[in-house]
Amino acid sequence: GAVVSQHPSWVICKSGTSVKIECRSLDFQATTMFWYRQFPKQSLMLMATSNEGSKATYEQGVEKDKFLINHASLTLSTLTVTSAHPEDSSFYICSASSGGESYEQYFGPGTRLTVT
Amino acid sequence: QQQVKQSPQSLIVQKGGISIINCAYENTAFDYFPWYQQFPGKGPALLIAIRPDVSEKKEGRFTISFNKSAKQFSLHIMDSQPGDSATYFCAASRRTASKLTFGTGTRLQVTL
Repeated sequence: GAVVSQHPSWVICKSGTSVKIECRSLDFQATTMFWYRQFPKQSLMLMATSNEGSKATYEQGVEKDKFLINHASLTLSTLTVTSAHPEDSSFYICSASSGGESYEQYFGPGTRLTVT
Repeated sequence: QQQVKQSPQSLIVQKGGISIINCAYENTAFDYFPWYQQFPGKGPALLIAIRPDVSEKKEGRFTISFNKSAKQFSLHIMDSQPGDSATYFCAASRRTASKLTFGTGTRLQVTL
């Protein structure tokens, strides 16, 4: 149980275009989802926290107008990178929590974004 | 106050040996301490986690030791195998469904 999927697993886009990444909890309802960014050989950097039906809470330094997060249902959250630039190239990972008494976060397999 | 410090940065262990990774935290409000295993190009996978009401938790070859007074916790991998070669992250959070603060990661290599 506790499976989280991401789509696509990798994407290449041209500079200036937008790209959407989906994160789905397959076998549980995720009241809270998190989006992380990871550079090679570095730790995970939290970008934002989203609760179903609410606006996302962004970490300091993360541009909310550039990284649009939508958590429209208990099983789906999306991250849209708008007007992508080469410096946005990174590994994006989501995680999901069922909330309540649960502390566990379950991570998706990640999405590799390359902006050319 | 939100930092979690992890060491060593990298670790080489022979097959069958014990791998030990250490983490220290500052925020005494943290009450959940998970360890994640990450293979290249994959997302992190929850390995084992502990709450501060116990000093040790064991699951198979993996053991977490927790020292609340020292604000430290560690991961022990017994009988390390080449398949354990991965990056390990410790983390901490302070309530349910709350954001995790990650350590910097330890790259473990288990040699034959």
